[in-house]
Amino acid sequence: EDQVTQSPEALRLQEGESSSLNCSYTVSGLRGLFWYRQDPGKGPEFLFTLYSAGEEKEKERLKATLTKKESFLHITAPKPEDSATYLCAVPETSGSRLTFGEGTQLTVNP
Amino acid sequence: KAGVTQTPRYLIKTRGQQVTLSCSPISGHRSVSWYQQTPGQGLQFLFEYFSETQRNKGNFPGRFSGRQFSNSRSEMNVSTLELGDSALYLCASSLGASGTYEQYFGPGTRLTVT
Repeated sequence: EDQVTQSPEALRLQEGESSSLNCSYTVSGLRGLFWYRQDPGKGPEFLFTLYSAGEEKEKERLKATLTKKESFLHITAPKPEDSATYLCAVPETSGSRLTFGEGTQLTVNP
Repeated sequence: KAGVTQTPRYLIKTRGQQVTLSCSPISGHRSVSWYQQTPGQGLQFLFEYFSETQRNKGNFPGRFSGRQFSNSRSEMNVSTLELGDSALYLCASSLGASGTYEQYFGPGTRLTVT
């Protein structure tokens, strides 16, 4: 069964304190991994797509990386406005629909 | 370019009633997917429509149904509402199949069943 597991469930950082979020997956023949950011009461906002091991993508203070079994979302010198829930998702092995992880709730204190 | 829009944004219904939610995708996007999000279950896939055809369906009872129109707009319907149907319902659109192209989400419809 395809599974996506994110850790930690919650992370509290001080402003400027860099860290990483993890997304591990068990699908055969990965066809892409998607990262989203979700603010409370809003729909997820698309951040990145990664397709192959070794690929990296950056956007402002965020950098996403991909290995054969997991992806990391690195947050460098975070600011309070980076506080949100970060979700990762992968296409199912047997179809085209996405399986989402439970998310990591990030809080950045000033 | 306008984003994904969903109407209504908030809805309060009584057990046993039915409800219809609407989604307008980004212009040019032909795939629309629906998700249910609750604090305990996270994002759960309901169904995906592409060119007016249902491509995939999640593990939800038959009370949950949807359709897509020729202009790619989509509706989902929940009949005989139960308290457990209270959730944020999200619609997402993409250029093609949801597993291949990134999805763009709407703001959601917050449904409360009393």
